Amino acid sequence: DAKTTQPNSMESNEEEPVHLPCNHSTISGTDYIHWYRQLPSQGPEYVIHGLTSNVNNRMASLAIAEDRKSSTLILHRATLRDAAVYYCILRSSSGSARQLTFGSGTQLTVLP
Amino acid sequence: NAGVMQNPRHLVRRRGQEARLRCSPMKGHSHVYWYRQLPEEGLKFMVYLQKENIIDESGMPKERFSAEFPKEGPSILRIQQVVRGDSAAYFCASSTPWQSGANVLTFGAGSRLTVL
Repeated sequence: DAKTTQPNSMESNEEEPVHLPCNHSTISGTDYIHWYRQLPSQGPEYVIHGLTSNVNNRMASLAIAEDRKSSTLILHRATLRDAAVYYCILRSSSGSARQLTFGSGTQLTVLP
Repeated sequence: NAGVMQNPRHLVRRRGQEARLRCSPMKGHSHVYWYRQLPEEGLKFMVYLQKENIIDESGMPKERFSAEFPKEGPSILRIQQVVRGDSAAYFCASSTPWQSGANVLTFGAGSRLTVL
């Protein structure tokens, strides 16, 4: 599976937008970009995914670069509840592997 | 609209005992994944199953660990002769059958195993 690179940690102020970057320079044409997050002492939670076009849902927006070698998860208005580890994961439509492979993610701290 | 249900949420075992962790997938989901998260570490894939079939067990330790997903009932992760190093959070996830990389996993709240 193609790898992703994320900053180890980021800070944000409450009620401000947060942009979480992810680099995936070796992405292939069949790789979907997924974001999950894990709140303290909880299981991972799906946030959003996309292939080529930008995506919006009730939780967040996903901005995908034109060359697909990077993407940004956007939380429009961070709350204290958004403090979590955010994982950017590539999921290939080809090959035999079906599991999600988690890296170390970005630890987001939201300051009141 | 229950999500993925895992039980027990917390389990304490002494060294040498057996641990059984159960996972009921989300309604409409037929595939189950198990992950392990050691203290202060990342999530590691263990096994991927559908009913009565193990699809991928490449992440399972070779000894003492087994998983099943019977035709009826929950998926079970079984750890025999537990050791202190098995203390971890075990997460189950479920999904619909694989069609593409757009497939999304829904995770449970986890089972936290402590081995004394």
